[in-house]
Amino acid sequence: DAGVIQSPRHEVTEMGQEVTLRCKPISGHDYLFWYRQTMMRGLELLIYFNNNVPIDDSGMPEDRFSAKMPNASFSTLKIQPSEPRDSAVYFCASSFDRETDTQYFGPGTRLTVL
Amino acid sequence: DAKTTQPNSMESNEEEPVHLPCNHSTISGTDYIHWYRQLPSQGPEYVIHGLTSNVNNRMASLAIAEDRKSSTLILHRATLRDAAVYYCILRDPLGNTDKLIFGTGTRLQVFP
Repeated sequence: DAGVIQSPRHEVTEMGQEVTLRCKPISGHDYLFWYRQTMMRGLELLIYFNNNVPIDDSGMPEDRFSAKMPNASFSTLKIQPSEPRDSAVYFCASSFDRETDTQYFGPGTRLTVL
Repeated sequence: DAKTTQPNSMESNEEEPVHLPCNHSTISGTDYIHWYRQLPSQGPEYVIHGLTSNVNNRMASLAIAEDRKSSTLILHRATLRDAAVYYCILRDPLGNTDKLIFGTGTRLQVFP
C-alpha cells in the first residue's frame, strides 16, 4: 500500500483565499483524522471520521474550517477564508479500527498564508 | 485523559542504547501506553504500545513499571536515523474517544 496520501505537499496562498487540502487514507481503514501542527501549539487533532461520518470536530478552530469525507477513500479539509495564523503543517492519518489503534500518518501539507 | 510527562530533550551517541522515560501517574487500568515518533519533516509514526507486560518489536522495546505509573522506551542501538521527537501517549480503547493526544514529547539527538 502507498500509505496515506496528502496533496498538495506545499501550499502558499494569500489571506482571504480558499484553501482545500486533500487526503486519501489507506484502503480498508475505517478511521480518518485531521491534525494541525505549529511550533506554538504542537500537534493538535482537528476532527476525525469513522466510516465517513464526522465523530468529533471539537478541535476545529472556527467556522472558517470545514471537513468532509464523501467516501471511504477521500477527505478534504477546507479553510475559507484563510488567515496568516492558519499557517501550519496539516497531517491526515488513518487507522483500521479502534481495537488495532495504530494511526498511520501522511507526509503532511505545509500551508503558508501570506 | 490521563497526562504524560516526558523530558524535553535527550542526547545519545550512535550505537549506544537510549532509554526514553515517560511518567503517567494518573494512568487508568484500561489505558494503553503508546509511543510514536516524528522524524524531521515527516508525519508521526507508530513505534510500539503495551498495557502491562514489557513489549518488543523490531523498532524498540517498551518497559512498563509494575505499578504502571511510568514506562521507558528503549532503543537498543541508536542510529542517526533515530533522531526524532518521541511522544508517549495514553489511550483507552474502551473509552468514548478515538483521539490520540500528543504532548510536547522528547527531542532525541543522536551524535556520530
